[in-house]
Amino acid sequence: DAGVTQSPTHLIKTRGQQVTLRCSPKSGHDTVSWYQQALGQGPQFIFQYYEEEERQRGNFPDRFSGHQFPNYSSELNVNALLLGDSALYLCASTLRSGTGNMGSNQPQHFGDGTRLSIL
Amino acid sequence: SQQGEEDPQALSIQEGENATMNCSYKTSINNLQWYRQNSGRGLVHLILIRSNEREKHSGRLRVTLDTSKKSSSLLITASRAADTASYFCATAAGGTSYGKLTFGQGTILTVHP
Repeated sequence: DAGVTQSPTHLIKTRGQQVTLRCSPKSGHDTVSWYQQALGQGPQFIFQYYEEEERQRGNFPDRFSGHQFPNYSSELNVNALLLGDSALYLCASTLRSGTGNMGSNQPQHFGDGTRLSIL
Repeated sequence: SQQGEEDPQALSIQEGENATMNCSYKTSINNLQWYRQNSGRGLVHLILIRSNEREKHSGRLRVTLDTSKKSSSLLITASRAADTASYFCATAAGGTSYGKLTFGQGTILTVHP
């Protein structure tokens, strides 16, 4: 039973460039969320995808965008990279369909993240 | 922005001792979850406690939730060197915020053999 997989594991970019990070959710999961974790901080929610649509968004600028594919995998795109975008980007998946009352009583399963460094 | 604060920021204990970490949050929640993160790795889900629950156990873990004080605690009993990691609490608001977790700053736990 494959867990959440993310690629690449490490990435080095320069300011102004664009980057695409990829995530495959845990088998059987249909919802993908992305988080940014700066060094020494807790993860911060970027956005969530379900049924190929962005359902929720955290306090991140439009430079951050995403996509979900029919097989539930997802991409995170960041344009015009800034030094402050250096962080560990985490993908998390969960099952939403059939969980009833729109509550969020489902644990999220995280990948090991992509370490993005901006020079 | 972070939902709340965790206390202490760092905790150092000997193997076999108990470790207690506290978490406070600011808004009403649907549930509160605890995660562990080993250095440079992803987060591992430990336990979820719903807003209508007061205490929950899982193996050596005991979590309490006090919604009137907007606080939670995680107790790890008989700690092991392998428990060395960062521990985060995360709150889920539910409803239209389905699935969005808001994390605290974390507690770094070091267990010395």
